[in-house]
Amino acid sequence: DTAVSQTPKYLVTQMGNDKSIKCEQNLGHDTMYWYKQDSKKFLKIMFSYNNKELIINETVPNRFSPKSPDKAHLNLHINSLELGDSAVYFCASSGRGGASNEQFFGPGTRLTVL
Amino acid sequence: GENVEQHPSTLSVQEGDSAVIKCTYSDSASNYFPWYKQELGKRPQLIIDIRSNVGEKKDQRIAVTLNKTAKHFSLHITETQPEDSAVYFCAASSVSGTYKYIFGTGTRLKVLA
Repeated sequence: DTAVSQTPKYLVTQMGNDKSIKCEQNLGHDTMYWYKQDSKKFLKIMFSYNNKELIINETVPNRFSPKSPDKAHLNLHINSLELGDSAVYFCASSGRGGASNEQFFGPGTRLTVL
Repeated sequence: GENVEQHPSTLSVQEGDSAVIKCTYSDSASNYFPWYKQELGKRPQLIIDIRSNVGEKKDQRIAVTLNKTAKHFSLHITETQPEDSAVYFCAASSVSGTYKYIFGTGTRLKVLA
């Protein structure tokens, strides 16, 4: 069974469009994250939710809006897409407490803005 | 602000040789240091981690060392194999609060057969 899943895997769209990426985890974790990985492979945290509450909000344009309907889901909506938004977006989740706080990553969504 | 520096950015070694990747962190509150391996087109996956209350941890051919005073930690891979070729990321985090990871910039390791 897939622990952290994302849809879609690939997303190709025109500048100015609005798009959403969905993430789901079946690990029973409390905390979920969105990362952006650019063409140079840098992994940068964007947002994090804990039990549906936003706890990390890095310097990200307000065109990006995360939404967590429940603690197993974290979606990312992007308005007015720009060329610079092209990247791979990874969702991740982690549990609170326990022996480690390993983050488990989803397979990624490759977004291409034309 | 919080920062993790990682060196080298690329590393080529002959199969069977050892590889060492080094990271330095800035936030003295960091107490959890994971290492992730990302193969081409795949997701990052944890390969080893270390907490600040130990100085070294080993798992078969992989080891991590931590010098908390100097804020340095390193990944050591011995007897490298072609399947070790990937991008490796270090990260620094705190086990309390937001569990925010600050990732290093990555090291592309190439093991030459």
